Amino acid sequence: EAGVTQFPSHSVIEKGQTVTLRCDPISGHDNLYWYRRVMGKEIKFLLHFVKESKQDESGMPNNRFLAERTGGTYSTLKVQPAELEDSGVYFCASSQDESPDVTDTQYFGPGTRLTVL
Amino acid sequence: DQQVKQNSPSLSVQEGRISILNCDYTNSMFDYFLWYKKYPAEGPTFLISISSIKDKNEDGRFTVFLNKSAKHLSLHIVPSQPGDSAVYFCAASPELTNAGGTSYGKLTFGQGTILTVHP
Repeated sequence: EAGVTQFPSHSVIEKGQTVTLRCDPISGHDNLYWYRRVMGKEIKFLLHFVKESKQDESGMPNNRFLAERTGGTYSTLKVQPAELEDSGVYFCASSQDESPDVTDTQYFGPGTRLTVL
Repeated sequence: DQQVKQNSPSLSVQEGRISILNCDYTNSMFDYFLWYKKYPAEGPTFLISISSIKDKNEDGRFTVFLNKSAKHLSLHIVPSQPGDSAVYFCAASPELTNAGGTSYGKLTFGQGTILTVHP
């Protein structure tokens, strides 16, 4: 079974440009999460999709970030316009609804390293 | 305000000895705790978890201990192996449930501890 994949693995852009990150979750996983790790600090939650609906977007930094998950399959995270502080590693994770008594496990992709110059 | 803290940025251990990684949290709403391991250029990989109704969970060489009153958890690895060298993240989650009764929720992570196991 293929794991969570993310594209691109690296992106270097200039301040003010636009970047779109893509995440393909594990097939059949309804839950999709975006996280970000900045400068070796903690991994921070950005948002959570259940199928195509945004369940929780409390971690989105500001309105320069737009996440979509059309059709409930892959997701994109667009940053427009990018700022220096947006640099970091963006992780995507997915999970499936397991039995009611089990908390589902989140499986992470390898991440996209974004550098804004 | 960091709700999950790993105060040791790094830990160095000799192969065969025990590795103990620590984590503290402040949010009383957290009911579910996890440890993830991360190798360079890879995403975090789930290692072991524990629910707040337990104080210990064991899986092979890995044991997680939870002290709810102290809001503290630890991961014990014994015996440690060179392949265990990685960054270890502690994470916590409130046990939210959806309409179907399935538990899920966003994870709050610590800063990570770099474990190095020397041969």
